[in-house]
Amino acid sequence: DSGVTQTPKHLITATGQRVTLRCSPRSGDLSVYWYQQSLDQGLQFLIQYYNGEERAKGNILERFSAQQFPDLHSELNLSSLELGDSALYFCASSFSGTGKDGYTFGSGTRLTVV
Amino acid sequence: GDSVTQMEGPVTLSEEAFLTINCTYTATGYPSLFWYVQYPGEGLQLLLKATKADDKGSNKGFEATYRKETTSFHLEKGSVQVSDSAVYFCARLMNYGGSQGNLIFGKGTKLSVKP
Repeated sequence: DSGVTQTPKHLITATGQRVTLRCSPRSGDLSVYWYQQSLDQGLQFLIQYYNGEERAKGNILERFSAQQFPDLHSELNLSSLELGDSALYFCASSFSGTGKDGYTFGSGTRLTVV
Repeated sequence: GDSVTQMEGPVTLSEEAFLTINCTYTATGYPSLFWYVQYPGEGLQLLLKATKADDKGSNKGFEATYRKETTSFHLEKGSVQVSDSAVYFCARLMNYGGSQGNLIFGKGTKLSVKP
């Protein structure tokens, strides 16, 4: 157990729907990162939060949004889902926002859009 | 742009064989470099890291040396075990711009070790 908790582990939904993925960072970590892993694109950085504030944005679609709450857990919202959004979504956390010590990853949420 | 390039897999070795997985990167300056490992059905785990040129990261018998001259960070292990079968990812830290503090990953190299 890495200490980073992601729920749900699996999600199957239809095109056009909206889903919310949840992440609880490792105790004491202030920064949360979201990554998408797919066979064709590999691991793509989506967005980072640090202590409740958005810190950096990567290749995140406008249909996707995220936030980090005062208790530091984070949610990734995916809307108007398309077949191509099927992927593994990973959350990671770190104490600092610099990433220099590396991240701790959760075990991911596997999203299947049908 | 900034990128990380790993040798394509899959790599299949016999137990106790020597392992090298090549990784090169493009960068502005000298970013921190990492190797992560992903076992089936799990998230990525940090294997080792190096934060400056000529640093050697090591863990669990794996080693990688930060070579600024060749912009490389090759992963090596002298004697692999079946339990080392996994996907290995090389990554560099973004050290400037809007994505500062985030990791750019290579595409991963799948290693299978046969008994």
